Amino acid sequence: KAGVTQTPRYLIKTRGQQVTLSCSPISGHRSVSWYQQTPGQGLQFLFEYFSETQRNKGNFPGRFSGRQFSNSRSEMNVSTLELGDSALYLCASSRTSGNQETQYFGPGTRLLVL
Amino acid sequence: AQSVSQHNHHVILSEAASLELGCNYSYGGTVNLFWYVQYPGQHLQLLLKYFSGDPLVKGIKGFEAEFIKSKFSFNLRKPSVQWSDTAEYFCAVILYNNNDMRFGAGTRLTVKP
Repeated sequence: KAGVTQTPRYLIKTRGQQVTLSCSPISGHRSVSWYQQTPGQGLQFLFEYFSETQRNKGNFPGRFSGRQFSNSRSEMNVSTLELGDSALYLCASSRTSGNQETQYFGPGTRLLVL
Repeated sequence: AQSVSQHNHHVILSEAASLELGCNYSYGGTVNLFWYVQYPGQHLQLLLKYFSGDPLVKGIKGFEAEFIKSKFSFNLRKPSVQWSDTAEYFCAVILYNNNDMRFGAGTRLTVKP
């Protein structure tokens, strides 16, 4: 069973540019969440999508947006990049059965903004 | 502002010792609570999650956590740690009124063989 895949794995951009990151969840998982991890701020939740709808949203500016497609694949977009956006962006897919949630993370996309 | 506190930044234990990692949150409303683990060189994994019901939640690999609403706490426990439990552990909270998810800073656990 394939795990969560994220592309690209590494990315270098300059300030002001925009970037799109992709996440393919585990087959059968309908929920995809995005997180940002930095040494200074730690792990922060960006947003969660379920069945193409944004279900939860963290405290990030509108430059950060996402979407989910009918096949559950998700993309995250960051516009007008800032130096502080340099981070590891993690995607996780999950499936809930009753009161049990199974969640798996991808390897992340490491973004460097110069 | 709502926050999640993990007071222990680094915990060092010997194998077979009992583990308790603290997690406190500052929010009075309904919450969902999580513990995640990141082993060296590996991806984050969900250890366990509290939705509702029994406040004692059992997770994978022998971990459990107890939600004590009056103390705003969700401490992670394991009766006997192994060297393979060496990892970083993150507590997280989803605030029910706005679905915002907050993470603690993490606790690094080192288990000596």
